[in-house]
Order: sequence, then C-alpha cells, then structure tokens
Amino acid sequence: GQQVMQIPQYQHVQEGEDFTTYCNSSTTLSNIQWYKQRPGGHPVFLIQLVKSGEVKKQKRLTFQFGEAKKNSSLHITATQTTDVGTYFCAVSFYNTDKLIFGTGTRLQVFP
Amino acid sequence: DVKVTQSSRYLVKRTGEKVFLECVQDMDHENMFWYRQDPGLGLRLIYFSYDVKMKEKGDIPEGYSVSREKKERFSLILESASTNQTSMYLCASSAPKDSGPSYEQYFGPGTRLTVT
Repeated sequence: GQQVMQIPQYQHVQEGEDFTTYCNSSTTLSNIQWYKQRPGGHPVFLIQLVKSGEVKKQKRLTFQFGEAKKNSSLHITATQTTDVGTYFCAVSFYNTDKLIFGTGTRLQVFP
Repeated sequence: DVKVTQSSRYLVKRTGEKVFLECVQDMDHENMFWYRQDPGLGLRLIYFSYDVKMKEKGDIPEGYSVSREKKERFSLILESASTNQTSMYLCASSAPKDSGPSYEQYFGPGTRLTVT
C-alpha cells in the first residue's frame, strides 16, 4: 500500500539549536499536512502544503514541499522548550480524502 | 471552535468483551475517522466515513467495526476485545477535500483502552 517514511524517529537538541524532520513518499502526493502532538495531548494541525516547491513559514517554523511533490520538511529555527512534542506529516493522494500519517519525529529540547 | 469529544479518556476491558468507543463532533463535518496510535507506529487508520451510514476500511480494520447513524457521531466497535487491541484510540473529523483550501483533521482527546 501507499506509505510515507518520516525521519528521524527521535531528536534531542539543546535549546537554541535548529531541528528538521523529513517526510518522504515513493508516490506523488496531492498535498501534505503537518501536525504537532504535545506529550499527553492529541495531534493538532499546523499547516497544509499543496503546490510543488511551496514554502510556508510560521514564526520559527519553515515548511517545504518538494518540487516533485514526493517529499517535505519541517524546520524549526532556534528551538525552545515549548517546541517539545511529536511532529507528524500526513499525506494525501489524489482522489481520496483520507490521510496517511508518518510515524512521527519526537523532539526533546533540553534547556 | 471545533470540538471533537470521545466518550472516555481511559477504559479497561476484559478479553472477549464487546467495546464501544463513541465520538461526537460539532462542526457538521462530513468526514470522520478512527485511528489507533502505538509507540513507533504513528497513527494508523482503522475506518473512516464520508457520510451517514457510509463506511470505508482503513489500513487495519481487522477486529473492528464502525457505525455512523447520525452525521455528528461515529462509533468504533470491538466485537470481542483482545489484548493486542490495547492502544490509544483517536477520533478525528474533517470537511471534504474539495470544500475549501484546507481540510485539516480535528482530533478528539483520545481513549486509552487497556484489554486485560
């Protein structure tokens, strides 16, 4: 079936360091969404990318969609302890409303 | 604010019991989804529904069934609970993909089910 790979599985950083998580698909995507799940919480939508090569920013977060629409990245500049959580990509293929979630990257930030 | 509620935060059941997990959303969303979340495996789709009385199998439907009698309510049923169904169960809802620029999923708080 259609799958999505997300790496790394874990990342521990010192506060102030940057962080990046990657999401890869072998199949061209319709669009991709990113979610954040705080410890003990539920996934919360961050952003959706639709266009080839699209780049969107939310304060210290930068989201990119690859030119071939098969991969994406989420980059956090100068991490803070409030960034702690698991970041999931969720991909959508054409002609379906369902999302396929990546396995997530768990980010730990040390003060 | 969109609200998705689930009937229980924690549930403990015995092997072989029939288990009902209820999910209600108040945004008039057409789409509703049931996932289970296990460490290292992310969120895996069990079943989803595009409309009342309509259901589609997700990636791991075995051992589960669903019911959607009303638009706002989507129930997950474990006909005979087994220990390998111990997990966090998350319900979500969304508008249809072609309804607007974004169709993000809104999640409920989750039900942590333990089957002993």
